[in-house]
Amino acid sequence: EAGVTQFPSHSVIEKGQTVTLRCDPISGHDNLYWYRRVMGKEIKFLLHFVKESKQDESGMPNNRFLAERTGGTYSTLKVQPAELEDSGVYFCASSYVWGSLTDTQYFGPGTRLTVL
Amino acid sequence: KNEVEQSPQNLTAQEGEFITINCSYSVGISALHWLQQHPGGGIVSLFMLSSGKKKHGRLIATINIQEKHSSLHITASHPRDSAVYICAVPGSQGNLIFGKGTKLSVKP
Repeated sequence: EAGVTQFPSHSVIEKGQTVTLRCDPISGHDNLYWYRRVMGKEIKFLLHFVKESKQDESGMPNNRFLAERTGGTYSTLKVQPAELEDSGVYFCASSYVWGSLTDTQYFGPGTRLTVL
Repeated sequence: KNEVEQSPQNLTAQEGEFITINCSYSVGISALHWLQQHPGGGIVSLFMLSSGKKKHGRLIATINIQEKHSSLHITASHPRDSAVYICAVPGSQGNLIFGKGTKLSVKP
């Protein structure tokens, strides 16, 4: 069974440009999470989808970030316009059981975003 | 909000050494995760445990719910164990709250 996949693996853009990251969760996983690791700091939660609905987006840094999950399958995270402080590694994770705090989350390989 | 503290932040060991990484958290939880991140790589879930001890190969994870503390042990360490080891606990909505990680380097 395929794991969580993310695309692209690495993106280098200039300040002010737009970038869209994609995450394909494991098939059948209703929960999809976006996390971000800024260099030197711990991984931080961005938002959580249950199927196509945003369950919790309290971690989204500002309105330059827009996440969608059309049809409850793959998800995209768009940064527009990108700023220098958006650089980091963006991880996606998925899990199966909704409402469970103990279900294993399966992580994707991450997208390394560099804003110049 | 749960605070997750890991120690040490950096750890260098010689091949074959027994390694311990510690994790403490501030609010009671139902389960704790240990994750591994290789340089340039993604994150792999190593363990999820809610009590006692779990073992997988040379990796052992223990948790003491009363003391809000968990440890990850690596026996007979090997250079390929070099990675960042991260402790995480569930947040209120099923998301994870992460520690800053412990960077392990095992020298041959």
